[in-house]
Amino acid sequence: KAGVTQTPRYLIKTRGQQVTLSCSPISGHRSVSWYQQTPGQGLQFLFEYFSETQRNKGNFPGRFSGRQFSNSRSEMNVSTLELGDSALYLCASSFRLAEETQYFGPGTRLLVL
Amino acid sequence: GENVEQHPSTLSVQEGDSAVIKCTYSDSASNYFPWYKQELGKRPQLIIDIRSNVGEKKDQRIAVTLNKTAKHFSLHITETQPEDSAVYFCAGKTTGNQFYFGTGTSLTVIP
Repeated sequence: KAGVTQTPRYLIKTRGQQVTLSCSPISGHRSVSWYQQTPGQGLQFLFEYFSETQRNKGNFPGRFSGRQFSNSRSEMNVSTLELGDSALYLCASSFRLAEETQYFGPGTRLLVL
Repeated sequence: GENVEQHPSTLSVQEGDSAVIKCTYSDSASNYFPWYKQELGKRPQLIIDIRSNVGEKKDQRIAVTLNKTAKHFSLHITETQPEDSAVYFCAGKTTGNQFYFGTGTSLTVIP
């Protein structure tokens, strides 16, 4: 079974731009969670989607948004990019909502200049 | 909000020695505590987990202990090998079904 995939793997943007990241979960998994990983903060939860609905949200500003499609693929959007948004963005999938075992993708490394 | 403190941030051990990483959590209602290993440039991978109704769990050279009263849990790696070198993250799961992670421990096993 193929693992979680994320595209693109690397991205360079400038301040003020917006960016969209994509995550394809393991086949059959319906829950997708997004995390931001930075050297100083570790992994921080952004949000979780299940059945095309956001079910949980972390403490991030409204510039961070997401959605999930009927095939469980998920996108994350960051608008009006700031330098501090530079990070590795990881998604993780699981079979059910709030399931304990989650499988991470390789991440998208975003650099904001 | 809920958080977990992880120590140490870096750890170097000689091959064959043991390594211990400790985490302390804030939400007493948390009931699930996984540990992830992230090798350089790779995705985090679950290596062991423990639920709040268990005090200890072992899987070959890796073990995790949980002290609910003190709200801390630890990862123990025995007979360390160079391939154990990685960043290790502890995490907890809140009653709101969110995961919160420690800031990671960079483990280096010196051959």
